[in-house]
Amino acid sequence: DGGITQSPKYLFRKEGQNVTLSCEQNLNHDAMYWYRQDPGQGLRLIYYSQIVNDFQKGDIAEGYSVSREKKESFPLTVTSAQKNPTAFYLCASSIEGPLSGANVLTFGAGSRLTVL
Amino acid sequence: AQKVTQAQTEISVVEKEDVTLDCVYETRDTTYYLFWYKQPPSGELVFLIRRNSFDEQNEISGRYSWNFQKSTSSFNFTITASQVVDSAVYFCALSTNSGYALNFGKGTSLLVTP
Repeated sequence: DGGITQSPKYLFRKEGQNVTLSCEQNLNHDAMYWYRQDPGQGLRLIYYSQIVNDFQKGDIAEGYSVSREKKESFPLTVTSAQKNPTAFYLCASSIEGPLSGANVLTFGAGSRLTVL
Repeated sequence: AQKVTQAQTEISVVEKEDVTLDCVYETRDTTYYLFWYKQPPSGELVFLIRRNSFDEQNEISGRYSWNFQKSTSSFNFTITASQVVDSAVYFCALSTNSGYALNFGKGTSLLVTP
């Protein structure tokens, strides 16, 4: 079945460490996204990518980095510069990029990061 | 600027009650799209419906119905005869063709008890 796979599902990190969250899709979608979810805050966009080797900052990109070397993969690195990294991270993809507002996003099951 | 407001943070109902989740949006674009997503406890958001700004027809899908009113900038979601499996967080979202990703509301947590 086609879908998005995020790993790990749960991750613990010590302060000062970088951590990378994996996101893989087999939907052949061009665009991929990373959202952060905090209780009572809804979903906030971190980064998005419309095509391979291209990505754009979202609303809260500071302290995060991404790469898009393959169409299927869009890993997110939470760096030590992120002041409050404990959150639920959701990866999504869509057939076309955000220039098509009608896009329906398909989401992964999320990764929960806790900083100790 | 685009904004989606879901004023109801949490709603609790007893099974078989009807419940309406409110969504109010703001945008200056004349072409836009409205969405509802469901997030069950497993965490994965599931797409429920998309509406474009030129289609104000209400929609019914089983126990779910949506009321889109441009005059009040609202896109409300009603669950008829709620069931325990409807317990989830529901998000309303807005997008345009301006090249930016979905703008989500803060979500409404629905708890349906037996």
